[in-house]
Amino acid sequence: DARVTQTPRHKVTEMGQEVTMRCQPILGHNTVFWYRQTMMQGLELLAYFRNRAPLDDSGMPKDRFSAEMPDATLATLKIQPSEPRDSAVYFCASGLVSPLQYNEQFFGPGTRLTVL
Amino acid sequence: GNSVTQMEGPVTLSEEAFLTINCTYTATGYPSLFWYVQYPGEGLQLLLKATKADDKGSNKGFEATYRKETTSFHLEKGSVQVSDSAVYFCALINSGGYQKVTFGTGTKLQVIP
Repeated sequence: DARVTQTPRHKVTEMGQEVTMRCQPILGHNTVFWYRQTMMQGLELLAYFRNRAPLDDSGMPKDRFSAEMPDATLATLKIQPSEPRDSAVYFCASGLVSPLQYNEQFFGPGTRLTVL
Repeated sequence: GNSVTQMEGPVTLSEEAFLTINCTYTATGYPSLFWYVQYPGEGLQLLLKATKADDKGSNKGFEATYRKETTSFHLEKGSVQVSDSAVYFCALINSGGYQKVTFGTGTKLQVIP
């Protein structure tokens, strides 16, 4: 049963610390998304990769956030330095997309981040 | 740009009641439309989809019909169960190369016994 995995599931850190969240997309998927979910803002798209190349990171605060895909089996989202307003659940999703067809996104279980 | 508007929640229903969650959209071209569901503590899962006008998506007793004339994709279920308690997201994606998904804000459904 293929699924997206995310680590850690929970992270509590202090303001100013670096946070790294990891995602393993489903094997064979060519797109990876990072979302942030909060009560106030709902679900926000932070970054979008296709074939490991970043297509859109306009939703991400560039001064402190960075997203990468070092290889096809790993996507990372880093926050440095972290701030209390970054507290949220961060979801990774992967999918298989072609120019003619969109297939559903499969979401991971999320990383719940708390910045004190 | 694209946008999705959902009815505000939370929606509280008794078991076996009829459910409607309204969703309207704004998009250029011919988008595909989706409903995702998020159970407590989990990520989103695709519930159903429709890729062209007048298509009806259905799954687990839920249905939604793609209405281009009213730009709507309302979610319905004839008889809800306690296990349907979750947050429901309407979403769209435009055809073409970019294929970024636009999500609505979500509607929380609580079903009480």
